[in-house]
Amino acid sequence: SQKIEQNSEALNIQEGKTATLTCNYTNYSPAYLQWYRQDPGRGPVFLLLIRENEKEKRKERLKVTFDTTLKQSLFHITASQPADSATYLCALDGYGGSQGNLIFGKGTKLSVKP
Amino acid sequence: DAGVIQSPRHEVTEMGQEVTLRCKPISGHNSLFWYRQTMMRGLELLIYFNNNVPIDDSGMPEDRFSAKMPNASFSTLKIQPSEPRDSAVYFCASTWRDRRETQYFGPGTRLLVL
Repeated sequence: SQKIEQNSEALNIQEGKTATLTCNYTNYSPAYLQWYRQDPGRGPVFLLLIRENEKEKRKERLKVTFDTTLKQSLFHITASQPADSATYLCALDGYGGSQGNLIFGKGTKLSVKP
Repeated sequence: DAGVIQSPRHEVTEMGQEVTLRCKPISGHNSLFWYRQTMMRGLELLIYFNNNVPIDDSGMPEDRFSAKMPNASFSTLKIQPSEPRDSAVYFCASTWRDRRETQYFGPGTRLLVL
């Protein structure tokens, strides 16, 4: 079955640095991958979607890469700010195996210290 | 735009009691998803509907769980009887039927079964 892993449960960085979060998957070839942000006590909020034929996508200070050979996505936040502190979830399109449902990783909790 | 609305936001009940969670999707969306989030298992899809019809309920843990969508603007998730292991945050999300669009999550219902 499909497996998705976010390799760090928590990541602590200093304000102004670039945060890099990793999402790996196995037994699967997704049509696209998404990143969501979740704040405590709230539902996930969509940030970016990248398709299998795209290598990189940017939105303001966010950048996502998608390497289908390595089966890996990297999520970067440049010039990080304390307000970026949250849990970040990656999600795969389950189209290949789960009829189009999203499969979520467990998330990486990012803490940006001033 | 009100977003996805869920009620109640918090529910505390005793083992064996019936629990009903409610969701109002974003107007115009025709796909609705119920998820459960725990520390151990992360965010898991329970069931999803397209145009009010249940499409995939393979994530429903057991017969104690049931979900309905009587119309395009309302859905319920019922647990009967509830057990302590059902304690989790339950999210409802909605989107357009083309599942490659992003999902919009509600604020969640935090359920504690004693």
